[in-house]
Amino acid sequence: DAKTTQPPSMDCAEGRAANLPCNHSTISGNEYVYWYRQIHSQGPQYIIHGLKNNETNEMASLIITEDRKSSTLILPHATLRDTAVYYCIAAQIQGAQKLVFGQGTRLTINP
Amino acid sequence: DAGVTQSPTHLIKTRGQQVTLRCSPKSGHDTVSWYQQALGQGPQFIFQYYEEEERQRGNFPDRFSGHQFPNYSSELNVNALLLGDSALYLCASSSLPSSGFRWEQYFGPGTRLTVT
Repeated sequence: DAKTTQPPSMDCAEGRAANLPCNHSTISGNEYVYWYRQIHSQGPQYIIHGLKNNETNEMASLIITEDRKSSTLILPHATLRDTAVYYCIAAQIQGAQKLVFGQGTRLTINP
Repeated sequence: DAGVTQSPTHLIKTRGQQVTLRCSPKSGHDTVSWYQQALGQGPQFIFQYYEEEERQRGNFPDRFSGHQFPNYSSELNVNALLLGDSALYLCASSSLPSSGFRWEQYFGPGTRLTVT
């Protein structure tokens, strides 16, 4: 499983876009980029995933660079409820799909 | 849909004791994974069960064992508890390609285990 690197913490103003970076320079061709978040005292929650194309769903957008060595999760209009630890994970879609969590980024949305 | 449920919510045990944690997967899911999350750390993969068998295991000692039942629910057992086993234990459910695969794993709220 490829290792991912994220900044330990970030701040963002409420209503603004939150852009969370992730480096995964050793990602292999069959590994997807997943994003999960964990709000305090809850289990992690799936946000979005992608292979090489940009993806968007009702929660966020995922931008993956052409060389797939990094990606950015975008929360377009951050709210106070988006305050959480965000985890970027590289994982294979085949087989057991073990998730290897790093330290994540603690995102704080400020009013 | 109740989602992934875990019991108990909190548990306090003494060193050397044994503990059993329980997980019911989300409806329609047949695969259960267990994770350990120490305070201030990301979750660490313990093992995964599918078709009542352990499919993959993380770097955890044999004191950690599990079981999956025919209804897909699962148990995590930890023997000879150590102080370092104090953590939040998370259960996640998903489904494999052969059974209507979806990309995400759904996590339960966890069981907070304290070993004194």
